[in-house]
Amino acid sequence: AQSVTQLGSHVSVSEGALVLLRCNYSSSVPPYLFWYVQYPNQGLQLLLKYTSAATLVKGINGFEAEFKKSETSFHLTKPSAHMSDAAEYFCAVSPEDNQGGKLIFGQGTELSVKP
Amino acid sequence: KAGVTQTPRYLIKTRGQQVTLSCSPISGHRSVSWYQQTPGQGLQFLFEYFSETQRNKGNFPGRFSGRQFSNSRSEMNVSTLELGDSALYLCASSLGSRQYFGPGTRLTVL
Repeated sequence: AQSVTQLGSHVSVSEGALVLLRCNYSSSVPPYLFWYVQYPNQGLQLLLKYTSAATLVKGINGFEAEFKKSETSFHLTKPSAHMSDAAEYFCAVSPEDNQGGKLIFGQGTELSVKP
Repeated sequence: KAGVTQTPRYLIKTRGQQVTLSCSPISGHRSVSWYQQTPGQGLQFLFEYFSETQRNKGNFPGRFSGRQFSNSRSEMNVSTLELGDSALYLCASSLGSRQYFGPGTRLTVL
């Protein structure tokens, strides 16, 4: 069964610094990989989605993620952190037999941005 | 288009009661999924409905149930509430592989 591991439940960076949030999926390549962001008291907002069309995926708000099959990773990066990036970030995969409606989420990484 | 809406946004119940949560998907979306979010267990998939039929089910007890109506609106019901059912319940509608999430219903069980 598919699973997702996010390394680091809390990450703290300074404003303007590189953001790197780590995500590893289980060995079989999932059909889709996602990164979502959740602000306090809100639902999840899609940042980006991997669909095998390209290994480097660009998302909203300057985020991007690179799919690396050899490392079973899909890490999220942003070159320069803004205060508004402080939120919780979730990596998710769809199961191999997915018909569209089920996502398996990692435990989440809370990003803090220091001024 | 209007986004996914969930009602109510906040709910307080006592142990043993039952609760019904509602989700209205984005117009045209036929799939609705439900998730439970807690600090300890994170985001866990409850079930998915597509065209009024349950298509996927997570690993939750039978106290958790759902249904979908012909207009794609969905409800989930939790019977005999337990303290551990306190959580944020998120609904998502999808067209293809992308899911659009609502703001959630915060359920507190006392």
